[in-house]
Amino acid sequence: DTGVSQNPRHKITKRGQNVTFRCDPISEHNRLYWYRQTLGQGPEFLTYFQNEAQLEKSRLLSDRFSAERPKGSFSTLEIQRTEQGDSAMYLCASSRQGPDTGELFFGEGSRLTVL
Amino acid sequence: DQQVKQNSPSLSVQEGRISILNCDYTNSMFDYFLWYKKYPAEGPTFLISISSIKDKNEDGRFTVFLNKSAKHLSLHIVPSQPGDSAVYFCAASGSGGSQGNLIFGKGTKLSVKP
Repeated sequence: DTGVSQNPRHKITKRGQNVTFRCDPISEHNRLYWYRQTLGQGPEFLTYFQNEAQLEKSRLLSDRFSAERPKGSFSTLEIQRTEQGDSAMYLCASSRQGPDTGELFFGEGSRLTVL
Repeated sequence: DQQVKQNSPSLSVQEGRISILNCDYTNSMFDYFLWYKKYPAEGPTFLISISSIKDKNEDGRFTVFLNKSAKHLSLHIVPSQPGDSAVYFCAASGSGGSQGNLIFGKGTKLSVKP
């Protein structure tokens, strides 16, 4: 059984550079989520897709952030002109369409370090 | 303003004893409450949930209690095992019709000592 896969696992970049993270959800899951987690905090919601439609975005998702899920399968999260405050763990999760019980399946995350 | 609060950053218990992790929330519109467990270098994994219309849900060694009047929930682990040592996050969903937005607390690090 393949879980949620995220790549790369760790990215170190210089301030001002662009970075892109990829998430491959569990294959039969229609919903895909991006969260961000910083040290000492719980995960914070960024955005959510149902199939290819982006249905909800947090105000945390500034103009420098863009997420796509073009074919309703994998998703990418791009951060343009990275800032040191973007350093965090970026978590992807997926779930089945159905009752909103909140049970999400998380990947291992992509850690971003902005120097 | 934090809508989900876990006021204890850490908890240490002896193997075999009960672990009680607490969580408070402020928004009475939440539909579901969940607990996630996280080991280092791994993503959070779902542990147990409870609907806002219930006051207790049990799954093996794990029981979640919900006190809506106090806006408080707790996770009981009995008996605690060393493998339960992890960070536990309380989360809530369904506020105002939001379907994708889980709101997490800051987590409580549980250490179970042999």
